[in-house]
Amino acid sequence: DAEITQSPRHKITETGRQVTLACHQTWNHNNMFWYRQDLGHGLRLIHYSYGVQDTNKGEVSDGYSVSRSNTEDLPLTLESAASSQTSVYFCASRGQGAYGYTFGSGTRLTVV
Amino acid sequence: GQQVMQIPQYQHVQEGEDFTTYCNSSTTLSNIQWYKQRPGGHPVFLIQLVKSGEVKKQKRLTFQFGEAKKNSSLHITATQTTDVGTYFCAGPGDNNDMRFGAGTRLTVKP
Repeated sequence: DAEITQSPRHKITETGRQVTLACHQTWNHNNMFWYRQDLGHGLRLIHYSYGVQDTNKGEVSDGYSVSRSNTEDLPLTLESAASSQTSVYFCASRGQGAYGYTFGSGTRLTVV
Repeated sequence: GQQVMQIPQYQHVQEGEDFTTYCNSSTTLSNIQWYKQRPGGHPVFLIQLVKSGEVKKQKRLTFQFGEAKKNSSLHITATQTTDVGTYFCAGPGDNNDMRFGAGTRLTVKP
């Protein structure tokens, strides 16, 4: 069955380190998204991509980057982790012409 | 950019009581989506509304889209413990990405 997987599920890292969170989907969806979830803020969009080599900034993109070299993967990189980036990160995808997003199970990131 | 505001932030009900969450936008929305996130889980798509005044039902859940397409509501009749979770609305952003409200966390006392 097609799926969207995120790894790792949990990560603890130190301030200033570079961190990459993986997102892999086998739905063959062109559209992929990264959100962070914090209490009181709901889901906030970080970056998104509508196809290979396409990347766009969302509402909270500072300190994050993404790359899209193939359809299946959209890794999220924190260039220099900060404590304010402690959060739960969700990756999502959506097929062309589809309505709703399919979310991964999330990555809980703690920056100490 | 487009923002959707959602109220209330929390709602605690006795099992069997009804529950409603509201979503409001300052701009007209082409569509609105609703998601449910169980505790410790990930958001799961429930439904999309597109037409002005649209009403859709899924068992005990009723979804409405306002006539002006600036507000929406989700109503649950006779809540059950399985309804526990956070309910999010989402509307399209400037580039057809979805922007989520802050969510309403529902707890149900047996």
